[in-house]
Amino acid sequence: SQQGEEDPQALSIQEGENATMNCSYKTSINNLQWYRQNSGRGLVHLILIRSNEREKHSGRLRVTLDTSKKSSSLLITASRAADTASYFCATDAYSGNTPLVFGKGTRLSVIA
Amino acid sequence: GAGVSQSPSNKVTEKGKDVELRCDPISGHTALYWYRQRLGQGLEFLIYFQGNSAPDKSGLPSDRFSAERTGESVSTLTIQRTQQEDSAVYLCASSLGRYNEQFFGPGTRLTVL
Repeated sequence: SQQGEEDPQALSIQEGENATMNCSYKTSINNLQWYRQNSGRGLVHLILIRSNEREKHSGRLRVTLDTSKKSSSLLITASRAADTASYFCATDAYSGNTPLVFGKGTRLSVIA
Repeated sequence: GAGVSQSPSNKVTEKGKDVELRCDPISGHTALYWYRQRLGQGLEFLIYFQGNSAPDKSGLPSDRFSAERTGESVSTLTIQRTQQEDSAVYLCASSLGRYNEQFFGPGTRLTVL
């Protein structure tokens, strides 16, 4: 089954630096979403990018989508300690009934 | 309600016992999902409800797992004869529709001794 795979698995940066996380997937999609998870509990939706979009911004977040390479990236600019969390990409298959499929996530640590 | 709620927040049970987990979705959300997340791992899809359609049970790991949803309201996930491998956080989410963003509850942390 299709799955988003995040890269890297873990990332540690200094406060103020930019953080880039990548996601690759296997089959055609309707949209791709990024979520954040703090402390291993509920996830919070960050941004959704549709298959016909190439780039989207939301505050300090920038998401790109390259459907030809089946990949997406999440950029967090001017990171803060509060950005420390796990970040997941989730893909929605273009066909079939499969709901969102989540990758294993990138664990981001922002050091003050 | 204001968000998705789940109960209990924590559940400790003995191997072999049955457990029931509850999810209250956001009012008006037709889609409801259950996921399992083991420690340090990603989300594992379990089951998906969409309105009054037959649920997608393709993610349930065994016949010990079942879930019900009455209309577009509360859902319960039942695990029978729990095993230690069932220990995980069980997350519920709801959305306006299948292609919309999902709103997650805080999860139920299940520990099987």
